[in-house]
Amino acid sequence: GAVVSQHPSWVICKSGTSVKIECRSLDFQATTMFWYRQFPKQSLMLMATSNEGSKATYEQGVEKDKFLINHASLTLSTLTVTSAHPEDSSFYICSASPPGRYTDTQYFGPGTRLTVL
Amino acid sequence: GDSVTQMEGPVTLSEEAFLTINCTYTATGYPSLFWYVQYPGEGLQLLLKATKADDKGSNKGFEATYRKETTSFHLEKGSVQVSDSAVYFCALKVGTSYGKLTFGQGTILTVHP
Repeated sequence: GAVVSQHPSWVICKSGTSVKIECRSLDFQATTMFWYRQFPKQSLMLMATSNEGSKATYEQGVEKDKFLINHASLTLSTLTVTSAHPEDSSFYICSASPPGRYTDTQYFGPGTRLTVL
Repeated sequence: GDSVTQMEGPVTLSEEAFLTINCTYTATGYPSLFWYVQYPGEGLQLLLKATKADDKGSNKGFEATYRKETTSFHLEKGSVQVSDSAVYFCALKVGTSYGKLTFGQGTILTVHP
């Protein structure tokens, strides 16, 4: 089956530093990837939709200058949390969607736990 | 806006017990409905889905029926196993929103031998 990986699985950083999280589709090409954020005991919240070769589409209320998304190839999307602060601590999950405009199939990565001190 | 509400967890059951996890939704359009499962240490996996009213999704002994009149999509299994222990998420997608899933808060299920 389709596999999506994320790296790192967890990261701890100091306030003010930037952190990059990678999302890879291992055995399929993904024209579209999604980034979600999950707070403890809360649902996944879509942050942005990442399209290969074009700018990401951010959900309302998500700061695009703070959460930089780059989808430079059909198998890799990166999320960079810039100038991280403790309130950015969260669980970040990506998903990838194979080519096909209305596919219902999203394959999810295992998530990255970010802790900002 | 679109939203999904799941029953509060965690849910703890003995093996072979009957499982129901309630899910209700509100949507601005005509949604497709999904159940995802997340096993410990793994990513979310699609468990089942239904795309129109009265459709029944089923997989691995789990079932859910799309009830438009009650805006519900409750997950059921007749006899749970220890291996079913996981977090279950109900989600919806409105047809005009390409790929965008709206999730419920998740329900932790623990099954004891």
